[in-house]
Amino acid sequence: GESVGLHLPTLSVQEGDNSIINCAYSNSASDYFIWYKQESGKGPQFIIDIRSNMDKRQGQRVTVLLNKTVKHLSLQIAATQPGDSAVYFCAETMNNAGNMLTFGGGTRLMVKP
Amino acid sequence: DTEVTQTPKHLVMGMTNKKSLKCEQHMGHRAMYWYKQKAKKPPELMFVYSYEKLSINESVPSRFSPECPNSSLLNLHLHALQPEDSALYLCASSHGEFYNSPLHFGNGTRLTVT
Repeated sequence: GESVGLHLPTLSVQEGDNSIINCAYSNSASDYFIWYKQESGKGPQFIIDIRSNMDKRQGQRVTVLLNKTVKHLSLQIAATQPGDSAVYFCAETMNNAGNMLTFGGGTRLMVKP
Repeated sequence: DTEVTQTPKHLVMGMTNKKSLKCEQHMGHRAMYWYKQKAKKPPELMFVYSYEKLSINESVPSRFSPECPNSSLLNLHLHALQPEDSALYLCASSHGEFYNSPLHFGNGTRLTVT
């Protein structure tokens, strides 16, 4: 049978569509946020970061949005490709906590060709 | 490919064995980290080294012993492990412990304790 907590939330999108992955963070004092991508058999790979003095930051095909009022972070991927299939983790930290990152639970993105 | 190199990629060890995991980076980073990741879970911090000194130990059992021989190398010595210690062990580095910059992770060592 299935065990609680062993299944990641999954987002399934069609190739070419835009993807939005959401993350609710816990600490209102957090001021630095990072999105990581983890492919099967690999370590987490840095995608994009944002500091709390910003609401939005864009990279190549990716955009991170930060809503401090509701403690919400999102990652938008434009024109999703099969190579985007992976588990995505958000992470947060506070300035006085250095790089002691607190990771969110992760979301699996599956891209259908 | 990652700029943080971890060896070995896979390791199987018995509960009475002694083994070591190795990590190397040449990005000039002064903070290095060990994380443990169980299947379908996020990474969990174990140790932080800053300027070659242990600065954080997240209440990790003594059967895990970290070592930082120099600013580019980080080891994790393993002794008398338990089957529940089986996991992916990730090394990471960053510019500094107290400078908010992203951690760069290696691809990990997949450890199985039998």
